[in-house]
Amino acid sequence: EIVLTQSPGTLSLSPGERVTLSCRASQSVSSSYLAWYQQKPGQAPRLLIYDASSRATGIPDRFSGSGSGTDFTLTISRLEPEDFAVYYCQQYDSSPAVTFGGGTKVEIK
Amino acid sequence: QLQLQESGPGLVKPSETLSLTCTVSGGSISSSTYYWGWIRQPPGKGLECIASIDYSGSTYYKPSLKSRVTISVDTSKNQFSLNLSSVTAADTAVYYCARWVSRSSWKAFDIWGQGTMVTVSS
Repeated sequence: EIVLTQSPGTLSLSPGERVTLSCRASQSVSSSYLAWYQQKPGQAPRLLIYDASSRATGIPDRFSGSGSGTDFTLTISRLEPEDFAVYYCQQYDSSPAVTFGGGTKVEIK
Repeated sequence: QLQLQESGPGLVKPSETLSLTCTVSGGSISSSTYYWGWIRQPPGKGLECIASIDYSGSTYYKPSLKSRVTISVDTSKNQFSLNLSSVTAADTAVYYCARWVSRSSWKAFDIWGQGTMVTVSS
């Protein structure tokens, strides 16, 4: 099973700042099968990015994804108040298996 | 607009079987493009994909839970269900159902239910 490690565990930032979140896989992951989700307290996760870099429907363009192989990144170009949340990466491999990273919490500084 | 809604008991006794149903509305569960999955989240922790199924009954189970999990689909009711046997306190979690997009070009959970909290306790 591929393990996804997200770093850092928590980020303390101010609105307007640029954010870069990391997701590292224990083995190479197909970019097509790497996704990012946002979860706010008491809510279900919401799909932000699929195919490593494609924004899901309705997701603002301040969110972008990149990466390949074992290293993937989610970037928020300019933090809005509604962006403070926990972010998870997730991968699918052909074994088959679906795994999530442990999450990165973006909190208000 | 497709919606998913979980239902089932909020409290289950240790060693018993946890049973949940997800009702899909606003669209058909019978599409070869999608699987239908269960994801859980223990309090204060991360997400874990437990199982998924497509309309024909093709399944995926998380290997570490495979001996205790059964997922099924009822296309006539537009529902799919999860059974988790021999539960312990470690199975206490919010359980989400979600739609899994299974395209060759990309795969992800794109639509989620609101989640239901299940507590395992005597």
